[in-house]
Amino acid sequence: DTGVSQNPRHKITKRGQNVTFRCDPISEHNRLYWYRQTLGQGPEFLTYFQNEAQLEKSRLLSDRFSAERPKGSFSTLEIQRTEQGDSAMYLCASSFPLAGNYANTGELFFGEGSRLTVL
Amino acid sequence: GENVEQHPSTLSVQEGDSAVIKCTYSDSASNYFPWYKQELGKGPQLIIDIRSNVGEKKDQRIAVTLNKTAKHFSLHITETQPEDSAVYFCAASTQGGDKVIFGPGTSLSVIP
Repeated sequence: DTGVSQNPRHKITKRGQNVTFRCDPISEHNRLYWYRQTLGQGPEFLTYFQNEAQLEKSRLLSDRFSAERPKGSFSTLEIQRTEQGDSAMYLCASSFPLAGNYANTGELFFGEGSRLTVL
Repeated sequence: GENVEQHPSTLSVQEGDSAVIKCTYSDSASNYFPWYKQELGKGPQLIIDIRSNVGEKKDQRIAVTLNKTAKHFSLHITETQPEDSAVYFCAASTQGGDKVIFGPGTSLSVIP
């Protein structure tokens, strides 16, 4: 297993365009997370899935953002009508859930991110 | 919701010295506290974590302490080495590992 894979690694787009990022998690992991990171800041939670179900979405996330995980494997994050403020690194992570018996550690395995620049 | 604060934002130490990073959290329901290290151009990577049923955990040169009453936890790195230079994030989560909330990060520089 090569870990969490994200594509594309870099995307430059003009304001108003739509962009889509893809994340392929570690195959055995049933949880998948999306985070956004701007320069000098920590990862900011956007949303997460358990299998194909989207369990939570950040209240900070505008309706221009949508994420899917249709078959419980890979996920896509789409940003519609991009704005300059959307410029950031979009990180995907996968994990097993943190179980009460601590059998799974809850460790997040991050990809290397997709960097978005909106001109 | 949960809010995690972290300080200092930057830290420089001489090689061989110790480094300490401190974090506070707001949600008393949080009971899982991981620490991540992020190197330039890479995603964060877990280095150590602690759960609320223990007060301290150690792994070689790295140790974490947790004070649930005060809602703060700390990362201690001893005998620092140049390869420890990176950005470190503390984080907090509730049982079940739902959303993990990260602090703003500490940029650690270890000077040879």
